[in-house]
Amino acid sequence: AQTVTQSQPEMSVQEAETVTLSCTYDTSESDYYLFWYKQPPSRQMILVIRQEAYKQQNATENRFSVNFQKAAKSFSLKISDSQLGDAAMYFCAYRSRLRRKLIFGQGTELSVKP
Amino acid sequence: DARVTQTPRDKVTEMGQEVTMRCQPILGHNTVFWYRQTMMQGLELLAYFRNRAPLDDSGMPKDRFSAEMPDATLATLKIQPSEPRDSAVYFCASGLATGTGTNTEAFFGQGTRLTVV
Repeated sequence: AQTVTQSQPEMSVQEAETVTLSCTYDTSESDYYLFWYKQPPSRQMILVIRQEAYKQQNATENRFSVNFQKAAKSFSLKISDSQLGDAAMYFCAYRSRLRRKLIFGQGTELSVKP
Repeated sequence: DARVTQTPRDKVTEMGQEVTMRCQPILGHNTVFWYRQTMMQGLELLAYFRNRAPLDDSGMPKDRFSAEMPDATLATLKIQPSEPRDSAVYFCASGLATGTGTNTEAFFGQGTRLTVV
C-alpha cells in the first residue's frame, strides 16, 4: 500500500524568506503523480503544484517549486519570497496514474511572520 | 468560474438524525470523490464515482453511510443515523478521467463541516 509522510507538523518562515516543506512517500509503482495542496483557514483545498513521476524536470509555479527525487521517494515544496497569504496547512498527496484515489500526508502547518 | 459547490457549508445535528450533504461537480467532469477530514485520521477517501457509477466505496462505513449520483450534476452523501464520531469536514472533489487513463487534477469544494451532538 502507498503511504505519504510529512514529518514536519509545523513550520514557520519570515515574510520574504524561503521555506522548504518535506514529504516522503512509499510505493512500488513506477507511474504516478505527486501533488501539493494548500488549505487556508477557509477550508478550501487548493492545488499548488503537480509533478508527474516520469518527468525528471522539477515542476515550478511562480514562487512555488518542488525538488522531486524519485529514487529517494522524496517530494519537497519550496516557497520563495514567502507572503502572509501563504500561511496555511499544506498537504502532500500521491496518486497512481490509473487509480483515482489521492493519498494524503498528515499535513504541515505553515505560519508566516511579518 | 468553474468550481465544485457543496451544501451546506456547516451543519449541526443531533445524534440519530439523518444528514444529507450535496455536491455539484464542475460541469463536464466525470469523476466525483468524497473525502472526510478529521484531526485523527487526516484526509481519507470515502467513495468515488466515474460516469455516475460507484467504483470504490471501500472507505465508507456501509451500515450508515450511502453515496449516490442521481444525475451528472449532483452527488449526495447521506448518514443515517448520525453519530458523534461522524463529526468531520466532508469534501467533495471532481475531475476528468479519459479512457487512456489520463486524469486531471481533483478540484475540491469548500467542504461541509458536520457536527453531531
